[in-house]
Amino acid sequence: QKEVEQDPGPLSVPEGAIVSLNCTYSNSAFQYFMWYRQYSRKGPELLMYTYSSGNKEDGRFTAQVDKSSKYISLFIRDSQPSDSATYLCAMSVLSGGYQKVTFGTGTKLQVIP
Amino acid sequence: DSGVTQTPKHLITATGQRVTLRCSPRSGDLSVYWYQQSLDQGLQFLIHYYNGEERAKGNILERFSAQQFPDLHSELNLSSLELGDSALYFCASSVDTGDTQYFGPGTRLTVL
Repeated sequence: QKEVEQDPGPLSVPEGAIVSLNCTYSNSAFQYFMWYRQYSRKGPELLMYTYSSGNKEDGRFTAQVDKSSKYISLFIRDSQPSDSATYLCAMSVLSGGYQKVTFGTGTKLQVIP
Repeated sequence: DSGVTQTPKHLITATGQRVTLRCSPRSGDLSVYWYQQSLDQGLQFLIHYYNGEERAKGNILERFSAQQFPDLHSELNLSSLELGDSALYFCASSVDTGDTQYFGPGTRLTVL
């Protein structure tokens, strides 16, 4: 079982829809959660990060962490064609004295005008 | 712009050759990470350096090596190149280990 599971998609939604992107994880020691956006052939760009369970909002984006269910989500409100990209979740854990970051494989999102 | 720079942007070479990819981290960042991303694949972690020292190795082939210099820039050396080494190679940096990583624009390597 992979430490971080992410549905690869693709996920196609109409412009203006609310998008929900999700990751599950198996290691309950993960303590730091991130979402990256990657446009085709570009470097991943950090969108949001959070340490704690609950919601964190930034503009149209909301990151949600449920540590009891080992589940994180990224919600995008009023989705735009410019949101079309691959979204990667990432998690960090202290393991053997080393802070290790694990990335999901990414979900490809297409927002259709 | 993340503040991480990578050169070159594109590299086309032949099988059997050796290339060097360069990364300059954000100002103040001590950690440099290297990743490989093949077409439609996720990020594969290769290696991590912190303040000049190797901290962790991922799925890095023996034909690949890296180093981080005193000025904190890093180089990834790929030798005896094979067609399957064609990919995007990303460098990321962070202040410390496990902190948020900021990615460079990548180097696209094509091996013919």
